Parts: sequence; C-alpha cells; structure tokens
Amino acid sequence: DQQVKQNSPSLSVQEGRISILNCDYTNSMFDYFLWYKKYPAEGPTFLISISSIKDKNEDGRFTVFLNKSAKHLSLHIVPSQPGDSAVYFCAATDTGKLIFGQGTTLQVKP
Amino acid sequence: GAVVSQHPSWVICKSGTSVKIECRSLDFQATTMFWYRQFPKQSLMLMATSNEGSKATYEQGVEKDKFLINHASLTLSTLTVTSAHPEDSSFYICSARVLWGTGVDSPLHFGNGTRLTVT
Repeated sequence: DQQVKQNSPSLSVQEGRISILNCDYTNSMFDYFLWYKKYPAEGPTFLISISSIKDKNEDGRFTVFLNKSAKHLSLHIVPSQPGDSAVYFCAATDTGKLIFGQGTTLQVKP
Repeated sequence: GAVVSQHPSWVICKSGTSVKIECRSLDFQATTMFWYRQFPKQSLMLMATSNEGSKATYEQGVEKDKFLINHASLTLSTLTVTSAHPEDSSFYICSARVLWGTGVDSPLHFGNGTRLTVT
C-alpha cells in the first residue's frame, strides 16, 4: 500500500522555466510533509517542508503547496536551473517516521 | 547545518560475509537514528529505527537477525549486514533528526549512503 505517491517518474524542463513536481498521499493523519533532493550515489538533502496547518511555504526559488482536501502537495521551482537536475522525493509523516514517494527525476535543460 | 556522516560510501563483499556500516552525527546528538534502504529506481524504505541505549525497532519484513543495529552512543549508530547475499545489494542510508523542540518539526538529515554490492 503506497501511502505516498509520485506518479510522474520523470520531468524535463527548460532552464529558467518553472518546474512543478507533484505528490499525492492517502493517509489523512499525515501532518507534516517534506521534499528532499537526491543526486546519484548520495543521500537525500532536505529542501523544504510544510506543516498541515499551512497551505504554502516558500524558501527562495522553492515553494511547496499543500491541498489537504485533495491530499496533494506540489513543489514549484522557479526559475529552474541546470543544477536542480536530480531526483526529488516527497515524504510525509504523522509519527516522525517518514514515508517516501518513489521519486521524480527532474532534468533541467540549458 | 547538521551533518550526518556515513562510512563507508561503498563496499563490495563476498557472499556469506558480514559488513558494518557506520552512521555518525557530527555536530549534534541523536537519540534516534533511522536506517533506510533504496533499491534502484525505488523510494527509500525505512528498515529500522535505532534508539540510543535500547533495542532497535524494525519495520515489518526486515529481519532483525540479519540487519543488526547498534546505537552505542548519542552520535553513533551501526548497521551490520550479516551473512550477506547478493539480494542484499542495495543503497543503505542513515538519517538523524535534530530535536528543535517538539520533535516532528525538524527535518531528517541524511548521510551520503553506502552502496553495498555482494558478489
């Protein structure tokens, strides 16, 4: 039972444009959501998070949106840069134990 | 920021041998560390929660006798893959959380992972 799903395995975007990565979840008890970025052969790096009491959190070029009624969150990267090319994982928790999505590979083309 | 160091970054071992992976929190104390496993093109799967001074809590389906976890101090947790087999080949990642206050409001910080190949 996949509680956190990233239905798009890959995304390709032109440099300077917006990248939108999506994530859906099924467990209504999740109250904290995170996005991680991962390069090959490295551990994930924390990007941004959002609590369930908010619907938006912004940090520089990264913004996370949460739609609780739809059980959906998204990560927006604006403007996208070639260095953003990586695998992005969304994760959710209600107990402190993180449940990860399958990841979306983002490629930003120069 | 908080740093989690994992060693070794890659290891090749023969089937039947044991491999130890270390996870250290370098600039903070971690009463709890987590061990994840990632197969190619799949998500990170939590294997176990490592608690300092007590037994680890394993996720369903993870063999505790095969994946031995020791959390000997507030800055070190080790994962030992015993009697490794080729199907244990995977990417193992540890993580720890800096407790800011109530606990869940701090992100996990991950080590760089260990690529294990069992021949």
